Amino acid sequence: AQTVTQSQPEMSVQEAETVTLSCTYDTSESDYYLFWYKQPPSRQMILVIRQEAYKQQNATENRFSVNFQKAAKSFSLKISDSQLGDAAMYFCAYRSARAGGTSYGKLTFGQGTILTVHP
Amino acid sequence: ETGVTQSPTHLIKTRGQQVTLRCSSQSGHNTVSWYQQALGQGPQFIFQYYREEENGRGNFPPRFSGLQFPNYSSELNVNALELDDSALYLCASSLIEGNEQYFGPGTRLTVT
Repeated sequence: AQTVTQSQPEMSVQEAETVTLSCTYDTSESDYYLFWYKQPPSRQMILVIRQEAYKQQNATENRFSVNFQKAAKSFSLKISDSQLGDAAMYFCAYRSARAGGTSYGKLTFGQGTILTVHP
Repeated sequence: ETGVTQSPTHLIKTRGQQVTLRCSSQSGHNTVSWYQQALGQGPQFIFQYYREEENGRGNFPPRFSGLQFPNYSSELNVNALELDDSALYLCASSLIEGNEQYFGPGTRLTVT
């Protein structure tokens, strides 16, 4: 079974600064997808960024980028030029790329990291 | 484009009762997944529905059941509610061949 671990329960950053959130995962599969989701106090889970395991290039979405280290099974999220609106709980998630099976389509989430942004 | 919607927003039930939660998928999406999120924890996968059939299931007992309708909307039913069922229930829609799931705002269930 796959597991996802976020070892930082809480992180804080000053507005306009850069912060990195850590995530490690464990899997025996070679083909999978990794995601970062943001959950603000409004509770709505919002997709931030996605990474396909077969791609060596790290994904980037505006101020958000990832550092994907497949051999180390590490998937960190870097937020540049942090804004007050970035304050939320951030979840790292794993999804198998293998079709079929009883867990098809399942997202496995980490425990989350609460990010506080100070003005 | 209409996003994922869920109803009701909040619900309070008594232990032993039954509850039905509802989800409307995003326009064009044919797959619905349900997750349970306890306070301060990451969501846990309950099951997924595609073409009106359960297409995958997590470690939840049979008293958690679901339905998907021809318009791809879905229901989550929980029988014989227990105190530990108190949680935020999230619905996510996607294309079966897609990799990204888009979440609704959730239903907060409190069991007393």
